[in-house]
Parts: sequence; C-alpha cells; structure tokens
Amino acid sequence: NAGVMQNPRHLVRRRGQEARLRCSPVKGHSHVYWYRQLPEEGLKFMVYLQKENIIDESGMPKERFSAEFPKEGPSILRIQQVVRGDSAAYFCASSPPSRAVDTQYFGPGTRLTVL
Amino acid sequence: TQLLEQSPQFLSIQEGENLTVYCNSSSVFSSLQWYRQEPGEGPVLLVTVVTGGEVKKLKRLTFQFGDARKDSSLHITAAQPGDTGLYLCAGGKGGSEKLVFGKGTKLTVNP
Repeated sequence: NAGVMQNPRHLVRRRGQEARLRCSPVKGHSHVYWYRQLPEEGLKFMVYLQKENIIDESGMPKERFSAEFPKEGPSILRIQQVVRGDSAAYFCASSPPSRAVDTQYFGPGTRLTVL
Repeated sequence: TQLLEQSPQFLSIQEGENLTVYCNSSSVFSSLQWYRQEPGEGPVLLVTVVTGGEVKKLKRLTFQFGDARKDSSLHITAAQPGDTGLYLCAGGKGGSEKLVFGKGTKLTVNP
C-alpha cells in the first residue's frame, strides 16, 4: 500500500463515544483523502485535505464528523457520538504534491464497529 | 453525481480460464485506476490509464481505457487462485480531486 499507515486497524466503540482514526501519508505526500466503505458497497469519498487546509468536504456528514491534517503529525478523522450506522471500514489515501494524474495510494484501513 | 458501473458483480471461474471485467460510465474521466482489494485490507493500485484507447499490460492482466474515456476493461489471462479478490475501478476528473469508485467485481478463482 505504498507506505500509507493507518491506526488503529480495528476500533470498537459504544454508541455515544468518540472515535479517532489516524492516517500517516506516504512520506512526501501532501494530499490526504478519507473514504468510507460499507459492506457490499464501493468506497465513498468523504474529505480531501492538504496540510492545515480542508479542500473538499463534500462527502462528509455535516454533523459529528470532522477531519484535520495538521502541519505536524498524522491526519485525524474524528467521529463524535458514534451511532451503529457509522460502523464501516475507513480508508485513508495520499498522493504527492504535484501530479499529472489522480493516482492515490491507500492505507490498510480502520474497521470501526459501533456496539 | 458520476457513477461507475462494474460488471459482473460476482465471477467464479476455474484456474486457467480467461476473464474480462468491465467498468462503465456515462461521464468522461481524465483517468481510470484499477485496484485490487483483499478481505481486511486496503485497495492496492494495479494501474492508471489516462489516454483514450490506451492499453496497459501487467503480466497476465491487460487494461484498456475506452476511446471516449468513459469506460475501461480488465482482462486476465490464465487466471490463478492468487488473482482472487475484489477488483475496483475508480475514475478521476483531473487535478487534486476525489476518486469515484465502482462497487467492484468479486473474483474467485478455484484451483
């Protein structure tokens, strides 16, 4: 997976708790994307970030979900007050700062289970 | 919303057979990526095609981008059990933008 790191790989939360998912992009990549995959569904775009900036959050639910990519450290996808419907696999992808095509490299994902 | 339709949804074949899976859309994409995903893992990039009519080969896998850049196909020759997985196509519109994914073709190659 070209070096994208995600942790934790598995996360179990009870309804109402917070979930924090971390993503370290490939070294040198400045573009980070988050996708969600539900069973039997394709990956759905959530948010696109560059360092310290949210570029496109059109796929992010308007409530309870937030994302950041600070100057130092990993990108964080935060889900507040989780509900059962948030159970899914969350994937992070990264791409280099300047590129002619849209190739993105994916991490192994975080599987969130909400009890 | 741009949609990518993949077919077939499921495919079960015997080792040694050939197969083709399809990825179709009514929208034009600047690039098409093919990924393979195994259970519990993230998608692994197989190829990116960017030019209409482009054909790329990766060992026994042949990828083609349609002339109008609306569709793509993946052909596997002499399939092996190691080819088993979920094959996803994803379209990009150019620049630093999100990818639109199909739902995938779940391939099983039986020994």
